[in-house]
Amino acid sequence: DSGVTQTPKHLITATGQRVTLRCSPRSGDLSVYWYQQSLDQGLQFLIQYYNGEERAKGNILERFSAQQFPDLHSELNLSSLELGDSALYFCASSTTASSYNSPLHFGNGTRLTVT
Amino acid sequence: GEDVEQSLFLSVREGDSSVINCTYTDSSSTYLYWYKQEPGAGLQLLTYIFSNMDMKQDQRLTVLLNKKDKHLSLRIADTQTGDSAIYFCHPNSGNTPLVFGKGTRLSVIA
Repeated sequence: DSGVTQTPKHLITATGQRVTLRCSPRSGDLSVYWYQQSLDQGLQFLIQYYNGEERAKGNILERFSAQQFPDLHSELNLSSLELGDSALYFCASSTTASSYNSPLHFGNGTRLTVT
Repeated sequence: GEDVEQSLFLSVREGDSSVINCTYTDSSSTYLYWYKQEPGAGLQLLTYIFSNMDMKQDQRLTVLLNKKDKHLSLRIADTQTGDSAIYFCHPNSGNTPLVFGKGTRLSVIA
């Protein structure tokens, strides 16, 4: 058990809809990272928050947004959903802002299916 | 930014050794991690090596680092069916974005 909790585990929704994925980081970790995993693209970095502030941005679409709350949990909002957004979405956490000396701890992911 | 390349698939027989290779581009990578993803689960840290080391052994796992060639490998001795998973190489210099490769899917044949 990594200590990172993601909800829900599965989500099925229709095109054009909006969903919110939630992540609770490991106790004591201040950084939260969001990744998207699809079969053809591998693991794509979306965005990182550190102690409530956006720290780094990857290949995140404008239709997607995220935030980290004062209690350090994070939410990833996906809107105007398209079929191609179907994927596994992972949250990871680490203790520091720069993960190079602090490994990432991953949750078990949310599987999003857009129909 | 960082670019990481791994073979997508590897198939080995139970009891044999597995070698998963990784090449990367960021020469300032300080910590080089290997993660394992079992079916239906997230990635879990398997092992890591510091950039000032050439080799690290941890039970059945051996990590080799060739900094000159920017090549990292993971050897699993006496591979078991429970080792079947996707393995991700993750060289990390602290630069963003936080890149992972596509991973190597290891299949162990009984």
